[in-house]
Amino acid sequence: DSGVTQTPKHLITATGQRVTLRCSPRSGDLSVYWYQQSLDQGLQFLIQYYNGEERAKGNILERFSAQQFPDLHSELNLSSLELGDSALYFCASSVVGTYYNEQFFGPGTRLTVL
Amino acid sequence: ELKVEQNPLFLSMQEGKNYTIYCNYSTTSDRLYWYRQDPGKSLESLFVLLSNGAVKQEGRLMASLDTKARLSTLHITAAVHDLSATYFCAVDTTTSGTYKYIFGTGTRLKVLA
Repeated sequence: DSGVTQTPKHLITATGQRVTLRCSPRSGDLSVYWYQQSLDQGLQFLIQYYNGEERAKGNILERFSAQQFPDLHSELNLSSLELGDSALYFCASSVVGTYYNEQFFGPGTRLTVL
Repeated sequence: ELKVEQNPLFLSMQEGKNYTIYCNYSTTSDRLYWYRQDPGKSLESLFVLLSNGAVKQEGRLMASLDTKARLSTLHITAAVHDLSATYFCAVDTTTSGTYKYIFGTGTRLKVLA
C-alpha cells in the first residue's frame, strides 16, 4: 500500500458525459501527478500540481482539467467523454524539495466510456 | 524532446535464466527511476538511481546507470515466476524552466516455469 488513495476504483459512463476522479496523496507529500494509461498509448503524464498550484503540464486534453485543494487532495475532471478516453487513470504523489522525485502511485481508476 | 526508450518491449524467459532490460534516454539527466507494474495493478517504485555509475540491488534485480551513455540497465538474475510484470524506467529533467517526468514504453516480462 503506497499511501495514495484514489476513488472511485471503477467508473462506467457514456460518451459526452463528465466525470471527476479523486486522489489523496501520501501524508506529507505536496506534489500530485496524474497519468493516463491505455493499451495503445502507454503511460502518459497529464499534469502535476504542487501545493495547490499547477507546476507542469503534459499531454492533457483541453476537455480535461485538474485542481489541487488546500487539503492537498486533487481532482481530475474529464468532460465531453469519448470512447478513446477509456483508460486507467493513476494519481501519484511525491515529496518535492529533495534532489530526486520518486513517485508513489495510487491504485488507479478504471474508466470505461460506452 | 525528451524520449525514453526501453528494449525489449516483451520478454519471455525461462526460470533460472538471466536477462537484461535496457533503458535509453535522450537528454542530460542524472536521475533515473525504475518501477514495476503487475497486471491490472498500480506502479511500485523499485529503484532510484542518482548519479553516474550508481548501482542498486534488491533480490534478483540489479539496476545501474551510465549517465554519459544515457543508459540504464535492469538485470535479472536467475528469474523466478514472481518477477513476471511490466517494468518501466523513467527520467526527469528540467529544460528551459520546464519540468518533465517521462516514462519509457515498458518491458513486459513473462517468466515461464
